[in-house]
Amino acid sequence: NAGVTQTPKFQVLKTGQSMTLQCAQDMNHNSMYWYRQDPGMGLRLIYYSASEGTTDKGEVPNGYNVSRLNKREFSLRLESAAPSQTSVYFCASSEQGSNQPQHFGDGTRLSIL
Amino acid sequence: SQQGEEDPQALSIQEGENATMNCSYKTSINNLQWYRQNSGRGLVHLILIRSNEREKHSGRLRVTLDTSKKSSSLLITASRAADTASYFCATDRRGGTSYGKLTFGQGTILTVHP
Repeated sequence: NAGVTQTPKFQVLKTGQSMTLQCAQDMNHNSMYWYRQDPGMGLRLIYYSASEGTTDKGEVPNGYNVSRLNKREFSLRLESAAPSQTSVYFCASSEQGSNQPQHFGDGTRLSIL
Repeated sequence: SQQGEEDPQALSIQEGENATMNCSYKTSINNLQWYRQNSGRGLVHLILIRSNEREKHSGRLRVTLDTSKKSSSLLITASRAADTASYFCATDRRGGTSYGKLTFGQGTILTVHP
């Protein structure tokens, strides 16, 4: 039972390059989320998808786009990477609605030079 | 902005001792959740307490919630070296379309010495 799988695990980009981070879950969850984690700042929500076919902005959406490809997959795209986007990115999923725990992948460590 | 603030930022104890971490938040909530993160790994859900609950237990974990003070505490009893990790509180705000959108605190780094 894989849970939430993120690829790649590590990536180094040059400023201005584009990249898509992939996330897939096998728990049949409706809701999926993308967070970034920076030192000393906890996790901040970038985008989320309450259900297949819907996406919405979180706290820090600028510089990112998302695609809910199907119920299993939710991708995060950086169109023109900037050094400020150097971070660890986490994908999570949950049952839809409130009072639901979230299940996290192990993250993608992204460095932008 | 960070909804939750955790205290202390770091905690160092000996195996067998109890560890208490605190979380304060600013707005009305549907629930408050605690997560653990081991170094280099994703977050793992520990416990969820709803806004109408005051205390919840799970194994060696005890969570309290005081909505009048907008605060929560996580107690880990009889700690083990394997409990060494970062612990985060996260709040699910009440109202609007924010269901399921968690806001995380900055975390407490717990080190348990054998």
